[in-house]
Amino acid sequence: EIVLTQSPATLSLSPGERATLSCRASQSVSRYLAWYQQKPGQAPRLLIHDASNRATGIPARFSGSGSGTDFTLTISSLEPEDFAVYYCQQRSNWPGVTFGGGTKVEIK
Amino acid sequence: QLQLQESGPGLVKPSETLSLTCTVSGGSINSSSHYWGWLRQSPGKGLEWIGSFYYSGSTQDNPSLKSRVTISADTSKNQFSLKLSSVTVADTAVYYCARQEEGPLDHWGQGTLVTVSS
Repeated sequence: EIVLTQSPATLSLSPGERATLSCRASQSVSRYLAWYQQKPGQAPRLLIHDASNRATGIPARFSGSGSGTDFTLTISSLEPEDFAVYYCQQRSNWPGVTFGGGTKVEIK
Repeated sequence: QLQLQESGPGLVKPSETLSLTCTVSGGSINSSSHYWGWLRQSPGKGLEWIGSFYYSGSTQDNPSLKSRVTISADTSKNQFSLKLSSVTVADTAVYYCARQEEGPLDHWGQGTLVTVSS
């Protein structure tokens, strides 16, 4: 089973700063990686699919990059509504999927 | 606009069967383009895929759940359902249904908390 490791576990930043989140896979997942945002009491929301494609309605400040085993989610300038937990997800045994442990982006 | 809504008991006794239904509106589960999945989230195990249904009737589930999972659908009601047997406290979680594209899960229900307790 492919394991996704996210780092850091917590990122403390101020509004307007740039956020860089990492997701590392234990084996290559090609570009089949997605990113989600989850706020308390809500379901995860798809942000990025296939490593770098923004989902419908997602602002341009969110971008994804990477391939193989190393992936990055970048939020270019944090808005107040961006403070949340972010998860990466891979689909090597689709429809079976697995998720990383999450990165919490908190207000500094 | 596609919407998914989970429903079912919020409290299940240990050793009994957890039963949830996902009602889909704004789209059809009879779609060759998507799978329809069940996932759960607990503090101890994070986000976990439980299983998925395809319009042809085929289903797949997570081997880690040791054949306790049954997924079915009622296309006339545009619903799909989850049964998880022999539950324990470890099955306490928020359960989500979701639509699966080829890879990402692009629409989710709001989630429903199921507690396993006597």
